Amino acid sequence: DTGVSQNPRHKITKRGQNVTFRCDPISEHNRLYWYRQTLGQGPEFLTYFQNEAQLEKSRLLSDRFSAERPKGSFSTLEIQRTEQGDSAMYLCASRAPGQGHNEQFFGPGTRLTVL
Amino acid sequence: AQKVTQAQTEISVVEKEDVTLDCVYETRDTTYYLFWYKQPPSGELVFLIRRNSFDEQNEISGRYSWNFQKSTSSFNFTITASQVVDSAVYFCALSGITGNQFYFGTGTSLTVIP
Repeated sequence: DTGVSQNPRHKITKRGQNVTFRCDPISEHNRLYWYRQTLGQGPEFLTYFQNEAQLEKSRLLSDRFSAERPKGSFSTLEIQRTEQGDSAMYLCASRAPGQGHNEQFFGPGTRLTVL
Repeated sequence: AQKVTQAQTEISVVEKEDVTLDCVYETRDTTYYLFWYKQPPSGELVFLIRRNSFDEQNEISGRYSWNFQKSTSSFNFTITASQVVDSAVYFCALSGITGNQFYFGTGTSLTVIP
């Protein structure tokens, strides 16, 4: 399977706990994106990496959220002190290098439920 | 500000009917890109098409066709002879020239009844 993969697919946690999600992009895709999708809404941009550099962050990304892509390959998204409002689907996408390739390819997502 | 509006929340059609999904966008950029994605019940967003702001030529791919009109800021999607497998949520999205931050609409849930 050469698509974007995300782990875990589902995560249930109690309020106040920390959670970490992983995203493995399509091989050789140098750009990686995180989005959040709540029920009945479209995905909302959270942050973007080009190689290992985090170049853009949305105002949605509070200080409890941190994302890394240390070696320019896989990425992790950590949420500290989770709140019930963090319950959502967290989507990762990747994109090929070059200006001619704008489409982002999405993974299956990690569904987070905060009790 | 960038914004995408999909006014149709839910649509139901009987199999083999044609259906058009509307998308209206707002942007101040002169160069931008428009996209359609399909999200089946499994949840994974599937890329369908990309259009740049300089190319208003309509496109047809099998049973799918897209009508891009800059004059009305619309990028509508038509499925001809719908099938049950077309049942999904369809999202229209907009990005600026960098193609990084995508702005998605709220989606249209399409149900094709056999």
